[in-house]
Amino acid sequence: DTGVSQDPRHKITKRGQNVTFRCDPISEHNRLYWYRQTLGQGPEFLTYFQNEAQLEKSRLLSDRFSAERPKGSFSTLEIQRTEQGDSAMYLCASSLGTSGPTSYEQYFGPGTRLTVT
Amino acid sequence: EDKVVQSPLSLVVHEGDTVTLNCSYEVTNFRSLLWYKQEKKAPTFLFMLTSSGIEKKSGRLSSILDKKELFSILNITATQTGDSAVYLCAVVPSNDYKLSFGAGTTVTVRA
Repeated sequence: DTGVSQDPRHKITKRGQNVTFRCDPISEHNRLYWYRQTLGQGPEFLTYFQNEAQLEKSRLLSDRFSAERPKGSFSTLEIQRTEQGDSAMYLCASSLGTSGPTSYEQYFGPGTRLTVT
Repeated sequence: EDKVVQSPLSLVVHEGDTVTLNCSYEVTNFRSLLWYKQEKKAPTFLFMLTSSGIEKKSGRLSSILDKKELFSILNITATQTGDSAVYLCAVVPSNDYKLSFGAGTTVTVRA
């Protein structure tokens, strides 16, 4: 399977604990995005990378959230001191970095469902 | 802030019916509009529309964009139970790459 993969698929944690999620994009894609989706809503943008550079962060991304893409391949999203309001599906997507219309087509991974108890 | 509104929020149809989903948007410096299908997992890419009036088609699904009136329509003809899903619409501004999504339309197709 050459699509976007995410790990773990499900995570249950207690409030106050730290969690880390991983995303592996499609191999030739150099843009990587993180979104958060809650029940009944569309995905909300969190942050994105072009290669290893984090180019934009949403206001939704509090100081407890940090993302990295150290070698321009896989990315990690860490949430520190989790709160119940962090419970959501965390989606990763990737897209080609070339110019042209297809560079805007984003392909999503299966997501990591986080439950904070 | 970019705004995407989808309607209806949900609908129930019978197999063989045709459905029309609406997506209206307000975005500064619009570049493209994308449609996705989500079935209890990751959104699956359907179409990207950039130019007004040009229909994109894939099997029983088709979509068109009206940049003057700021909306798009997704049509599904001869619906099947496998079409049951949430259909998401998203826009991309010309100076950015992030997607701004609507809340989605839940389509339920009954046998």
